[in-house]
Amino acid sequence: DAKTTQPPSMDCAEGRAANLPCNHSTISGNEYVYWYRQIHSQGPQYIIHGLKNNETNEMASLIITEDRKSSTLILPHATLRDTAVYYCIVMIYNQGGKLIFGQGTELSVKP
Amino acid sequence: GAVVSQHPSWVICKSGTSVKIECRSLDFQATTMFWYRQFPKQSLMLMATSNEGSKATYEQGVEKDKFLINHASLTLSTLTVTSAHPEDSSFYICSARLGTINTEAFFGQGTRLTVV
Repeated sequence: DAKTTQPPSMDCAEGRAANLPCNHSTISGNEYVYWYRQIHSQGPQYIIHGLKNNETNEMASLIITEDRKSSTLILPHATLRDTAVYYCIVMIYNQGGKLIFGQGTELSVKP
Repeated sequence: GAVVSQHPSWVICKSGTSVKIECRSLDFQATTMFWYRQFPKQSLMLMATSNEGSKATYEQGVEKDKFLINHASLTLSTLTVTSAHPEDSSFYICSARLGTINTEAFFGQGTRLTVV
């Protein structure tokens, strides 16, 4: 199973871009990278996912390296409400698409 | 995004009783749902994968006779914690996949179970 490695915590100034890195060096060719975030005592919120091309939506951008061994989630203009734990997950394709959560990155956006 | 709703949001029960938690996909049909539990200051731990019309697949170490999962329709899965004990107190979260295997999975708001 592909595993991910994320820094345990990061700080970001309000209004600046938050760049959250993730390593997934054992990812297989058909496995997608998903990003979720969890604000305290709530269910995780879907942010974005991708296979090999960069992806962008109204919440964030996902940059995946060409060798697919790492990715970066970019929140272009972080706000205080973006303070949360961010999880990078490699979806396990051959096991029904399970999403196995790692420890995530605790992002603190500061004024 | 798509909406997944859990009920109840919180429940307190006595030790030895059973508790049922419902997970509904409100605006889409979900052939696959997932159940997680989360202890304070820890990440989510996958308990089981629930497929409509078939038996759930449990993760290693999860007691299937204690955590009964039923996925009788494309919009409803239930988790029953049988003979609950204080150590079962946790945050239980369900997730439903929007469509095919590479689509988004949306999460419910979670159910806080406290066993006294």
